Amino acid sequence: EVQLVESGGGLVQPGGSLRLSCAASGFTFSVHWMHWVRQAPGKGLVWVSRINGDGSSRSYADSVEGRFTISRDNAKNTLYLQMNSLRAEDTAVYYCAREENVAFADWGQGTLVTVSS
Amino acid sequence: QSALTQPPSASGSPGQSVTISCTGTGSDIGGYNYVSWYQQHPGKAPKLMIYEVSKRPSGVPDRFSGSKSGNTASLTVSGLQAEDEADYYCSSYAGKNNSPYVFGTGTKVTVL
Repeated sequence: EVQLVESGGGLVQPGGSLRLSCAASGFTFSVHWMHWVRQAPGKGLVWVSRINGDGSSRSYADSVEGRFTISRDNAKNTLYLQMNSLRAEDTAVYYCAREENVAFADWGQGTLVTVSS
Repeated sequence: QSALTQPPSASGSPGQSVTISCTGTGSDIGGYNYVSWYQQHPGKAPKLMIYEVSKRPSGVPDRFSGSKSGNTASLTVSGLQAEDEADYYCSSYAGKNNSPYVFGTGTKVTVL
């Protein structure tokens, strides 16, 4: 059974940093593209970032380009999202998701990031 | 990359059918057969219901079906059941390195 468990969310001041983690199990982690998707309170889903299996290819939404960095440790079956220069508009539940057949096949339970002073 | 356009709400009585539209452009829905649909219950993570326009993952009831025509995709839920009440989001591959995926605005389905 595929399991994705996010952690690392919390309350951070504007301009601060946070690192999210997503522990994966139940599948061959190293062969799958992995993504971060976020959802602001009461709003819709927004794609944030993706990384390929060996970490050599990464993409970001324009809204986070230059502030967020996606990475992975295939030895630890873990996906990361380093978030710097956080803004109020980054407040959201952050989900990690496994890609299969060009779709988000499996999702974690999400971790809440709140950016506020 | 603008969000795909979905109606805010849709409803139907138990046993009836409801169809949700998802409108994009030739750069996303119209350009690729990579439309997917997600169901999200309140406070829960999204769940994949349809991928590659019309394919169902294992375990998804065949009451859920997808289609596409031009720049518009559709999700139909037949034989509505109480547990189908949820938010539904479409998504499409958009091919760009920046923002290669775009989601729809979401549709709240109510079972009357």
